Amino acid sequence: DAKTTQPNSMESNEEEPVHLPCNHSTISGTDYIHWYRQLPSQGPEYVIHGLTSNVNNRMASLAIAEDRKSSTLILHRATLRDAAVYYCILSRADQTGANNLFFGTGTRLTVIP
Amino acid sequence: DAGVTQSPTHLIKTRGQQVTLRCSPKSGHDTVSWYQQALGQGPQFIFQYYEEEERQRGNFPDRFSGHQFPNYSSELNVNALLLGDSALYLCASSFEGEQYFGPGTRLTVT
Repeated sequence: DAKTTQPNSMESNEEEPVHLPCNHSTISGTDYIHWYRQLPSQGPEYVIHGLTSNVNNRMASLAIAEDRKSSTLILHRATLRDAAVYYCILSRADQTGANNLFFGTGTRLTVIP
Repeated sequence: DAGVTQSPTHLIKTRGQQVTLRCSPKSGHDTVSWYQQALGQGPQFIFQYYEEEERQRGNFPDRFSGHQFPNYSSELNVNALLLGDSALYLCASSFEGEQYFGPGTRLTVT
């Protein structure tokens, strides 16, 4: 399974933008880049995903490097509710159609009031 | 829509016993995946069920087995429990897209 590398932890001040980096130098052409987050005492929650182009949704933006070997999750204005562990995951569908997620240890984001 | 639901919320078992965990997928979802999350670690993929069959399996021993019912709900069974099986067990459902996770079942093996 393709591996991702993320910093163990990051801090951000409330209402400031946050850029969470992820390296995935062994990514293949069919791998999608997914971001999930896990708030305390909850299951993981989908944030965003992309293949080659940058993506925006109501929660965040995903910036993907041109060579696809790295990506950055951008939270435009961090709130206290954004404090969570953020996982960057690569996934691709296999011959059965299964497209499962192989999590690393993620980045623990602390938001400072 | 209740989302993904799991039962029970918490469970305490003794080494050597067997346990069954249950999952109801989000409405309209036909695929269920199970994950194990040890304390301080990311979730680890156990297996995925689709059309009542195991479609993909992670690196877990045969003590871990599952089932999917015609209504797409699923069970995870673990036999001969070990202390190391203590973890949060997460169920996720999907339909050709991102996975939606339930809140998990916290299993403690003593």
